[in-house]
Amino acid sequence: EAGVVQSPRYKIIEKKQPVAFWCNPISGHNTLYWYRQNLGQGPELLIRYENEEAVDDSQLPKDRFSAERLKGVDSTLKIQPAELGDSAVYLCASSLGGTSVYNEQFFGPGTRLTVL
Amino acid sequence: GESVGLHLPTLSVQEGDNSIINCAYSNSASDYFIWYKQESGKGPQFIIDIRSNMDKRQGQRVTVLLNKTVKHLSLQIAATQPGDSAVYFCAERETSGSRLTFGEGTQLTVNP
Repeated sequence: EAGVVQSPRYKIIEKKQPVAFWCNPISGHNTLYWYRQNLGQGPELLIRYENEEAVDDSQLPKDRFSAERLKGVDSTLKIQPAELGDSAVYLCASSLGGTSVYNEQFFGPGTRLTVL
Repeated sequence: GESVGLHLPTLSVQEGDNSIINCAYSNSASDYFIWYKQESGKGPQFIIDIRSNMDKRQGQRVTVLLNKTVKHLSLQIAATQPGDSAVYFCAERETSGSRLTFGEGTQLTVNP
């Protein structure tokens, strides 16, 4: 079974440019997460989707970040415009979903963003 | 705010030795805890979890201990192997939601 797929794996852009990351979760997983991971730190949740609905986006900087999961399957995270401080690894994860808090989250390999 | 943190940022052990990685948490409402392993260039990988109604859980070569009195979590790896070299994160979650809060990570290095 394929894991969580993310692309691109690496992205280098200049500040003020836009950037987008794509994630395809494990088939059948209704819950999708986007995390940001700074160097040496643990991942921090940006947004969580249950199917196509964003149910937790309280930590998403909405002035420059946006996300969508239109058909409840794959998802795109966008930053516009990017700032130097956005350099990080952006991780996508998925889980079966539902109300159980014990559903394991499976992480993708991440996209390493460098903003120059 | 609530946070989860690690006592030691780096740990170096000899192959075959046992490793102990520690974690402190501060959110008293958390009642589910997970240890993740993250290798370079990869996303975190689930190792073992424990619910707050337990104080010990064992897996294959790994044991997690939970001390709710002092809000402390530890991961023990038996007979550590070079393939265990990675960054290890503890994470906590409240039953009222599914947001994971991660600690800062411990870099485990296994010397042959």
